[in-house]
Amino acid sequence: KQEVTQIPAALSVPEGENLVLNCSFTDSAIYNLQWFRQDPGKGLTSLLLIQSSQREQTSGRLNASLDKSSGRSTLYIAASQPGDSATYLCGQNAGNMLTFGGGTRLMVKP
Amino acid sequence: DAGVIQSPRHEVTEMGQEVTLRCKPISGHDYLFWYRQTMMRGLELLIYFNNNVPIDDSGMPEDRFSAKMPNASFSTLKIQPSEPRDSAVYFCASSFWGTEKLFFGSGTQLSVL
Repeated sequence: KQEVTQIPAALSVPEGENLVLNCSFTDSAIYNLQWFRQDPGKGLTSLLLIQSSQREQTSGRLNASLDKSSGRSTLYIAASQPGDSATYLCGQNAGNMLTFGGGTRLMVKP
Repeated sequence: DAGVIQSPRHEVTEMGQEVTLRCKPISGHDYLFWYRQTMMRGLELLIYFNNNVPIDDSGMPEDRFSAKMPNASFSTLKIQPSEPRDSAVYFCASSFWGTEKLFFGSGTQLSVL
């Protein structure tokens, strides 16, 4: 059974810090890995998608990496801002559907 | 495109009542997913469709839950009879080819009293 784990569950940082969110998965049969952002009371918004053949993807201040051999992905956020405060979820696609981690709740303090 | 549209946004009902949640996927998307999110269990996949056909319903918790997709632009998730433990946020999501970016609706907050 696929399992996706995110560490830490919650993180609080001062504005301007660079930070890393971690995602680990147990199923080596991976098509892609997706990172999402969820604001309170809202749905999930896709941030980055990394195909299994790729090692990383970048969008603005966000960079996501994928290491299939170790079953890990990281989301790097540069120069964090209060507007980055949200819950970040990773989802592993191992066959037409995503299995999600429990998320990391991020708070960036001004 | 308006994105994935779900209705209602909030539903409050009494135990034993029938509840129907609705979803309109993004036009052209051929995969549709129903997820449930709770604090205890996180985001769980209930069922997904490909070209209107149910492919995997192993996540549907009980026979009280059923889902249909009569055409490419509409899906329903029905709970009959509803129970307090069904209280959660139910999300619909769609994608193209099933391996690409997943787009979520805003969810339906269900409270069963």
